[in-house]
Amino acid sequence: GQQVMQIPQYQHVQEGEDFTTYCNSSTTLSNIQWYKQRPGGHPVFLIQLVKSGEVKKQKRLTFQFGEAKKNSSLHITATQTTDVGTYFCSRSSVVEAGNMLTFGGGTRLMVKP
Amino acid sequence: DTGVSQDPRHKITKRGQNVTFRCDPISEHNRLYWYRQTLGQGPEFLTYFQNEAQLEKSRLLSDRFSAERPKGSFSTLEIQRTEQGDSAMYLCASSFGGYQETQYFGPGTRLLVL
Repeated sequence: GQQVMQIPQYQHVQEGEDFTTYCNSSTTLSNIQWYKQRPGGHPVFLIQLVKSGEVKKQKRLTFQFGEAKKNSSLHITATQTTDVGTYFCSRSSVVEAGNMLTFGGGTRLMVKP
Repeated sequence: DTGVSQDPRHKITKRGQNVTFRCDPISEHNRLYWYRQTLGQGPEFLTYFQNEAQLEKSRLLSDRFSAERPKGSFSTLEIQRTEQGDSAMYLCASSFGGYQETQYFGPGTRLLVL
């Protein structure tokens, strides 16, 4: 299938350090979505990237979409304990006029206070 | 709360029993999706409705699984003759539709089959 690969699988950081997770695809993506899932919670939509080379910021979070639309990254500046959770990227594929999301394996972020 | 809601939030059942989960999407949303998530993995697509029509089913959805959305509003997912391998979080998501749609997830139903 059309997979998206995420690295790293886990990341431990000290509070205040930066964090980056990467999402890669072997095929060109029409768009990429990022979700955050807190421990015991459900995926919460963060952002969608559509354009080649797009960069979007949400406070301390910076999202990038590669020029070739085959990779994406999420960077968090000065992590806080509230950033703890698993960050998933997902690609959408059209199915019968709908959109099936295919998720990466996620990057689990742990922040030590 | 106007988000996606799911009921029950947790279900423990014995192998061989039938279970049914309910999802209430955000009221204006015409698309409804079911996903399954196992521990340490990302969600996997199961099936999709546009209004009351079930338009796509994953190969993950065996014959023991059935989903309905009879009036184009809430949806149910039934698993017959549950197996231990069915233990997972079952997530529902809804959207307005459109090419670049955003899917909003509910809190999920965590199923444990003993």
